[in-house]
Amino acid sequence: GQQLNQSPQSMFIQEGEDVSMNCTSSSIFNTWLWYKQDPGEGPVLLIALYKAGELTSNGRLTAQFGITRKDSFLNISASIPSDVGIYFCAGRPNAGNMLTFGGGTRLMVKP
Amino acid sequence: SQTIHQWPATLVQPVGSPLSLECTVEGTSNPNLYWYRQAAGRGLQLLFYSVGIGQISSEVPQNLSASRPQDRQFILSSKKLLLSDSGFYLCAGDGGVTEKLFFGSGTQLSVL
Repeated sequence: GQQLNQSPQSMFIQEGEDVSMNCTSSSIFNTWLWYKQDPGEGPVLLIALYKAGELTSNGRLTAQFGITRKDSFLNISASIPSDVGIYFCAGRPNAGNMLTFGGGTRLMVKP
Repeated sequence: SQTIHQWPATLVQPVGSPLSLECTVEGTSNPNLYWYRQAAGRGLQLLFYSVGIGQISSEVPQNLSASRPQDRQFILSSKKLLLSDSGFYLCAGDGGVTEKLFFGSGTQLSVL
């Protein structure tokens, strides 16, 4: 089945720094979703992408749907302490298929 | 948009006791529903999914079972809990044209 390789697994950064993380797939996806999970909570949807090359922003967050349809990127600008959490990518090959999740990127921000 | 209600938030159970976690969905009809388990600080493991009433697919063999008695109700059960059943359990649902997956707030299960 499809697998998503999400990297990095963890990041420890200084407040104010920009953050980049990505997911790559061995097969083509037609939907990419990015989630954030706060400790002890369920993941919350941040950004949804539906077209190759699409670039979508949500506040300080920007996500891109890779041209090859096999990857996606999430950037966070000017990080703040409340950005701490686990970020998950998820992809769906076609409508009606189940989502495949990446292993998550644990982000820690030092004030 | 749809809302996933999940309870309880935390649960401490002795080994060998039964389990019943309930999840209900608002804001959509005929959703696909899912149960995930997450070990501390780790990724999401899909346990069960359901595309309709009475239809359950299991992704991994285990000590747990799931049932969907109503369109918007999904239940995770066990007859006898094991220590290895401890973890963070998440219910999720999707449906509609955007097919976004929404999660409940999770249940932290500790089996002692």
